[in-house]
Formats: sequence, C-alpha cells, structure tokens
Amino acid sequence: AQRVTQPEKLLSVFKGAPVELKCNYSYSGSPELFWYVQYSRQRLQLLLRHISRESIKGFTADLNKGETSFHLKKPFAQEEDSAMYYCALSGALTGTASKLTFGTGTRLQVTL
Amino acid sequence: KAGVTQTPRYLIKTRGQQVTLSCSPISGHRSVSWYQQTPGQGLQFLFEYFSETQRNKGNFPGRFSGRQFSNSRSEMNVSTLELGDSALYLCASSLGTLRSTDTQYFGPGTRLTVL
Repeated sequence: AQRVTQPEKLLSVFKGAPVELKCNYSYSGSPELFWYVQYSRQRLQLLLRHISRESIKGFTADLNKGETSFHLKKPFAQEEDSAMYYCALSGALTGTASKLTFGTGTRLQVTL
Repeated sequence: KAGVTQTPRYLIKTRGQQVTLSCSPISGHRSVSWYQQTPGQGLQFLFEYFSETQRNKGNFPGRFSGRQFSNSRSEMNVSTLELGDSALYLCASSLGTLRSTDTQYFGPGTRLTVL
C-alpha cells in the first residue's frame, strides 16, 4: 500500500532562514509526487509537482527515489510562506492522477 | 474562470440521518474527486467520477456513495450517519486526463457535523 509520511506537525523558522519540509513515501512503482499548500482561510492548492522540476514562490523539491523522499526546500523563508503544507502521491497503481494519497501535513510558521 | 464550488458550506445532522453534498467543478473539467478530511486521519480519498462513471474508489464503507451528472456536477451521499463521519468534505475537479500534469483544483469544502 502507498503511504506518505510528514514527520513534523509544526515547523517554526525565522524570516530569512532556510526551510526544509520533509516528506517520505512508500510506493511500489513509479510515483508522482506533489506538494499542496493551504494558506489561512484559503482552499487547498497545488504548489508544485516533481515532474515539472520547477521553482514556485522560491520553493523546490527533488524526488530522491533511493531515499524515497520528496523534501520541500526554500533558501530564505518569508512571512507569507506561513501555511499548511501537504505532500501527496499518485501513480499508476492508484489509477490516475486524480487519486491522491496525502501526508498528514506540516504547519510552517515563519516568525520575525 | 469560476473556481470549484461546494454546497452547503456547513451542515449539522444527527446520527442515523443521511446527507447529500454537492460539488460544481470548474467549467470544462470532467473529473470530480471527493476527499474526507479529519484531524485524526487527515485527507483521505473517497472516490472519483469521470464522465458520469465512478473511475476510482477509496477504502470507505458502502454508506458513502456518489454520482455525477452530465454537466459534470457531482453529489456525494452518506447514509446512516455516524459520529465519526463528522469531517470536512472536499471535492476537487480536473480535466480528467490520465497525465500527472493534470491539476486538481479544490473547493472550499463542506463542514459536516454529526450529533
């Protein structure tokens, strides 16, 4: 069975400090990994997906199949980054990209 | 482009009752997925509908069902409500292709409270 693990419920960093939100997965096959974000009073939205290999709002994430990880990183945290972040997985075994398995989420708190 | 809408936003029911939640996808989207979000279990996939057919199903009991109409609007129904069904129910719409580049857009959710 597939599983996504986000070990930290809360990550508190100072503004300007580097950020790393951890995500590990378990999946028998070729996974597709995503990061979703939910800002206060807003709906859940896609932040980035590994297949695009892009940087969104300064965030990047690299899929490491050897370590089965997909950590989200940003070199300098900003106040507006404070939000709930969810790592999610889909793949051939789950059927389609419409069936996502989510981690439990990490709340990122950026303080001055 | 209007986003995904869900109605009602809040609902209070008692045990044993049934409830129907509605989701209107983004125009042009043919896939609607439903998720249950609870503090204990997090976000869990319920099912997905594409072109009026259930294409994927999660591990939920048969009390949870859904359907999709020809205009892609979707409803989910929960019968014989239990206290543990109290949750935020999210729907997400997408084009429905099988490509991983297909993005799911989430609605604001319906908060169901079972008393």
